[in-house]
Amino acid sequence: ETGVTQSPTHLIKTRGQQVTLRCSSQSGHNTVSWYQQALGQGPQFIFQYYREEENGRGNFPPRFSGLQFPNYSSELNVNALELDDSALYLCASSLGEGTGFINEQFFGPGTRLTVL
Amino acid sequence: ILNVEQSPQSLHVQEGDSTNFTCSFPSSNFYALHWYRWETAKSPEALFVMTLNGDEKKKGRISATLNTKEGYSYLYIKGSQPEDSATYLCASRSARQLTFGSGTQLTVLP
Repeated sequence: ETGVTQSPTHLIKTRGQQVTLRCSSQSGHNTVSWYQQALGQGPQFIFQYYREEENGRGNFPPRFSGLQFPNYSSELNVNALELDDSALYLCASSLGEGTGFINEQFFGPGTRLTVL
Repeated sequence: ILNVEQSPQSLHVQEGDSTNFTCSFPSSNFYALHWYRWETAKSPEALFVMTLNGDEKKKGRISATLNTKEGYSYLYIKGSQPEDSATYLCASRSARQLTFGSGTQLTVLP
């Protein structure tokens, strides 16, 4: 196991609602990245946080936002949910990224979000 | 837009066979190439992070090579075992983004 945990495991929401997904990184890891994986595709990069600040962002709208806390936990918030937001959401922690993605990432098991 | 392509999409091999997959990526603005193994109902597991042209890395029966000039990486599995059955993902880092391919799904038949 990677030591990265995510909650909840599964979640069902309706269109227009808001959702918060949580991730607990490995102790000491100051970088967390979030990914969305739709069925049949590879994970798509949402954003990365380094030392509690956003350090890079993929092609996702502003209704996808995040927070990183000093205790190695982080959140992914999605507002105004759409049907296409149904996916597996993965977080990954790593150490000392700064410029991003040079170091090994440790993934959590994911949260399966279904939007009805 | 950065496109990372993996082939084949899926592969069935017999136990004991050796196999390899391909990951192709744009060679411009390249920083790093990641390989992950993702077993069903588990978290993706990092296999290798490669940064230099000509890099070769090995972990047990699994090895990988990197050609950054032509934009490809190969993953090799020697003497496949049923426990190697998984989806193998590659991802290329460029400009503060990590872009994944769709993966190669490997099934090793006993």
